[in-house]
Amino acid sequence: EIVLTQSPGTLSLSPGERATLSCRASQSVSSSYLAWYQQKPGQAPRLLIYGASSRATGIPDRFSGSGSGTDFTLTISRLEPEDFTMYYCQQYGSSPLTFGGGTKVEIK
Amino acid sequence: QVQLQESGPGLVKPSETLSLTCTVSGYSISSGYYWGWIRQPPGKGLEWIGNIYHSGSTYYNPSLKSRVTISVDTSKNQFSLRLSSVTAADTAVYYCARGVGWPPAWYFDLWGRGTLVTVSS
Repeated sequence: EIVLTQSPGTLSLSPGERATLSCRASQSVSSSYLAWYQQKPGQAPRLLIYGASSRATGIPDRFSGSGSGTDFTLTISRLEPEDFTMYYCQQYGSSPLTFGGGTKVEIK
Repeated sequence: QVQLQESGPGLVKPSETLSLTCTVSGYSISSGYYWGWIRQPPGKGLEWIGNIYHSGSTYYNPSLKSRVTISVDTSKNQFSLRLSSVTAADTAVYYCARGVGWPPAWYFDLWGRGTLVTVSS
């Protein structure tokens, strides 16, 4: 099973700043099958990125993904008030599908 | 507009079987995609439970495989989850979702709102 470790656990930033979230895999994720989700309190996760760098439908271009192998990054270029919430990565390169423990982006 | 909606009891007794149904609207399950269940214990992360195709082919997380059954009813455009011998550790919000990709590689592009299931006597 591939274990995903997200860091930092909490990221304290101000609106307008750049956020860089990390997702590290315990072994290489084949074909860059890595997705990112945003989850607001009391809501279901929302797909942001798939295939490590492809934005899902309707996702603003301030969200971008990069990486390959074992190291992946989600970047939010300029934080909007609605971006302060939880983010999870998920690998789908091998079974079982696994999720990271999450990064909380909070207002500084 | 495709929507998914979970339904089922919110309280299950220990050792009993948890049963949930996901009703899909705006899209025919028989048209494609895989359909899955994911859960999230209160305040914790996400855990994939399993996926099903409209043909009935199933794919389960090995950690839960001995207790999980996922089935599909294409006539009702629904798929269901059964989890047996539940304990307090199975208390979670259960989500149904649409899986994109091919076995065993899926990400989830559409999710239901989720339903909280509490295991308690």
